[in-house]
Amino acid sequence: EDQVTQSPEALRLQEGESSSLNCSYTVSGLRGLFWYRQDPGKGPEFLFTLYSAGEEKEKERLKATLTKKESFLHITAPKPEDSATYLCATDNTDKLIFGTGTRLQVFP
Amino acid sequence: NAGVTQTPKFQVLKTGQSMTLQCAQDMNHNSMYWYRQDPGMGLRLIYYSASEGTTDKGEVPNGYNVSRLNKREFSLRLESAAPSQTSVYFCASSVGLTVIQETQYFGPGTRLLVL
Repeated sequence: EDQVTQSPEALRLQEGESSSLNCSYTVSGLRGLFWYRQDPGKGPEFLFTLYSAGEEKEKERLKATLTKKESFLHITAPKPEDSATYLCATDNTDKLIFGTGTRLQVFP
Repeated sequence: NAGVTQTPKFQVLKTGQSMTLQCAQDMNHNSMYWYRQDPGMGLRLIYYSASEGTTDKGEVPNGYNVSRLNKREFSLRLESAAPSQTSVYFCASSVGLTVIQETQYFGPGTRLLVL
């Protein structure tokens, strides 16, 4: 069964304390791995798409990487405004399968 | 460009009442989706429309119906609401019509409480 698992469920960081979020997946024939950010009371906001193992993408303090079984979202020197829930998703033919997310809190 | 818009933002229903959630996108996308988000469950696909004139069931379609009114609009109807349908509902759209998975863009959500 296709599945996406995110860890940890919650992460508390001090401002400037770098860390990584994990997304492991079991999907046959991966066509894309997606990262979204979701703020409380809002819809998910697209961050990155990764298509093949070894691919990396960066945006400000965020860097997403992909292997054959998992993806990491690295957060370098986070700021309080990076606090949000981060969701990853993979595709299953023409539909996305979402993980339950990692809730990140960054304290000043 | 408003992106994906949803109405209403909040709704309270009594068990057995019906309602329609509206979604519109102005990005000229072909594909549209309805999800529900529940604590600890992640986003789950209810129905989707790969292109105008077509609709298909997702993971949790029971108790819902959809209408792809035109290319811009995709509505979700609850014919007889149940407390188990209390959730946050998100509409999304993507360019679609390709073999490569397309990025989906989400609306702000509708928060529904069924008493």
